[in-house]
Amino acid sequence: DIQMTQSPSSLSASVGDRVTITCRASQSISSYLNWYQQKPGKAPKLLIYAASNLHSGVPSSFSGSGSGTDFTLTISSLQPEDFASYYCQQSYSTTRTFGQGTKVEIK
Amino acid sequence: QPQLQESGSGLVKSSETLSLTCAVSGGSIGSGGFSWSWIRQPPGRGLEWIGDIYQSGTTYYTPSLKSRVTISVDRSKKQFSLRLTSVTAADTAVYYCARVGGYHGVDAFDVWGQGTRVTVSS
Repeated sequence: DIQMTQSPSSLSASVGDRVTITCRASQSISSYLNWYQQKPGKAPKLLIYAASNLHSGVPSSFSGSGSGTDFTLTISSLQPEDFASYYCQQSYSTTRTFGQGTKVEIK
Repeated sequence: QPQLQESGSGLVKSSETLSLTCAVSGGSIGSGGFSWSWIRQPPGRGLEWIGDIYQSGTTYYTPSLKSRVTISVDRSKKQFSLRLTSVTAADTAVYYCARVGGYHGVDAFDVWGQGTRVTVSS
């Protein structure tokens, strides 16, 4: 299995803050990395695919970068609706894996 | 954009079999190059991929569940199913079905069902 490790597990931030979440793969996965947002009681939503491409309808305040083993999700200016949990997920292997998640809370 | 809806028993006794179905509406299940997936989330925890079924019928499962899980598709009914045998309390979770789309050559879960809560009781 390819293990995905996110950091931090949780963070507190204020509206307008710049937020960065990192995801590390246990082996190189090229750009086969996606990011999802999940709000409480709701299904996850695809935010970014192939490491750096915004899914349809996702605000430009979200961006992704990285390749190989190290990846980053950045929210340039945190909005009230961005308080949620975020998960990375690799599709390099036919056995998919998710990171453990990062919960973004209001400071 | 299709819609996915999970259904099945919300309460399963320990050692018995969990069975869920995902109905696909507003789109085809047998064309477009999509595959179909099951993902679960135990209470207060993160997402766990269970497995995929490709249009060819090929399936892939997470190693920890491989001996107990079966994913199948019924194109005539526009639905795909999950079967998990010998359940324990550790299988209590919200179960999601999802579509796997290809984006720049990278598979991503782009359409999700709302999720269905399954509790395993002793």
